[in-house]
Amino acid sequence: DFVMTQSPDSLAVSLGERATIDCKSSQSVLYSSNNKNYLAWYQQKPGQPPKLLIYWASTRESGVPDRFSGSGSGTDFTLTISSLQAEDVAVYYCQQYYSSPHTFGQGTRLEIK
Amino acid sequence: QVQLQESGPGLVKPSETLSLTCSVSGVSVSSGSYYWTWIRQTPGKGLEWIGYVYNRGSTKYNPSLKSRVTISLDMSKNQFSLKLTSVTAADTALYYCARSGGEFSWFDPWGQGILVTVSS
Repeated sequence: DFVMTQSPDSLAVSLGERATIDCKSSQSVLYSSNNKNYLAWYQQKPGQPPKLLIYWASTRESGVPDRFSGSGSGTDFTLTISSLQAEDVAVYYCQQYYSSPHTFGQGTRLEIK
Repeated sequence: QVQLQESGPGLVKPSETLSLTCSVSGVSVSSGSYYWTWIRQTPGKGLEWIGYVYNRGSTKYNPSLKSRVTISLDMSKNQFSLKLTSVTAADTALYYCARSGGEFSWFDPWGQGILVTVSS
């Protein structure tokens, strides 16, 4: 199975500041035939299901604010929130869909400093 | 707008079978374009993909659960279901149903989730 490891486990950032979450896959999720990274990011707020933020590692889902961005390729990926808002407090997960079984990172809890 | 909603018992006894249903609105589960998925979440193991049903009844399961899992479609009710046999306390989790755009695709949208506790 692909093991997805996120860092840090928790993060406290001041309002308006940048938040960065890393995700590392145990194997590459870059499919060479289409040059796409099979990596998604989700946001989960308390009492809610995960919400899709980004797919193909860097494509924002419709309706997701542009302060959210994804980057990286192969085995190393980053979710960046450019200017943290109060409503961004949540747990964030990465997920690979390159290989079955699909696997998720352990989550990163983002709080306000 | 596609919506999914889980239903079923919130308490199951050890060694018995967990049975959940996901009701889908806004799209037909028989369309063949989507993979209808079950995922569970626990504090210890986090998010775990259980498996999916697609193409009017084909299935694929997580090898870690394959011997105990059955996912099926009920096209007449626009639902799909999960059965997990021989449950133990380790199967206590928040169970989500979700849609995937294909075998190698992300999950969106998700249902609200249903907490299932395994206890005597």
